[in-house]
Amino acid sequence: EAGVAQSPRYKIIEKRQSVAFWCNPISGHATLYWYQQILGQGPKLLIQFQNNGVVDDSQLPKDRFSAERLKGVDSTLKIQPAKLEDSAVYLCASSLGRLDTEAFFGQGTRLTVV
Amino acid sequence: GESVGLHLPTLSVQEGDNSIINCAYSNSASDYFIWYKQESGKGPQFIIDIRSNMDKRQGQRVTVLLNKTVKHLSLQIAATQPGDSAVYFCAEKGRDDKIIFGKGTRLHILP
Repeated sequence: EAGVAQSPRYKIIEKRQSVAFWCNPISGHATLYWYQQILGQGPKLLIQFQNNGVVDDSQLPKDRFSAERLKGVDSTLKIQPAKLEDSAVYLCASSLGRLDTEAFFGQGTRLTVV
Repeated sequence: GESVGLHLPTLSVQEGDNSIINCAYSNSASDYFIWYKQESGKGPQFIIDIRSNMDKRQGQRVTVLLNKTVKHLSLQIAATQPGDSAVYFCAEKGRDDKIIFGKGTRLHILP
């Protein structure tokens, strides 16, 4: 079974530039999560989708971050414009959507804003 | 804020000894708890889980204990090996399917 795919693996941009991350979840997984993990901290949930609908985006800085999952499969996370404090690993995860099922994570995209 | 936290940021254990990683949670409504292992440069990897109606669950070399009275979760790793070196996170999941992580404990294996 293929895992969660993310691209790119690494990205370096200047502040005020834009960046987009892509995620392809495990086939059949209804729930998709985007997390931000700052160095030395645990993953922080940014947004959660159930199929193509947003379940929770309370921690997403909506003035600069946006995410979509148009067909209920792949998802993109965009930052525009980026700030220095956005430097982090962005993790995508997916799960079947049942209570007692874990989320499977991709390898993440490491973003450096300079 | 996050409702899941860990007592110790770093734990050093002699190779071959047992490791115990602790976690406190504050949301009594959480139904499901997960332990993840994260190695450098990788995403979190599932280790073991437990539902709130259980107090113990065993896997291969790992055991998770849940004490709902004091809202405490622990991960026990038997016969710790060099490959167990990583950061370990506990996470909680509620009926909304949201998974919230704690800050993590780094497990360091001494030769």
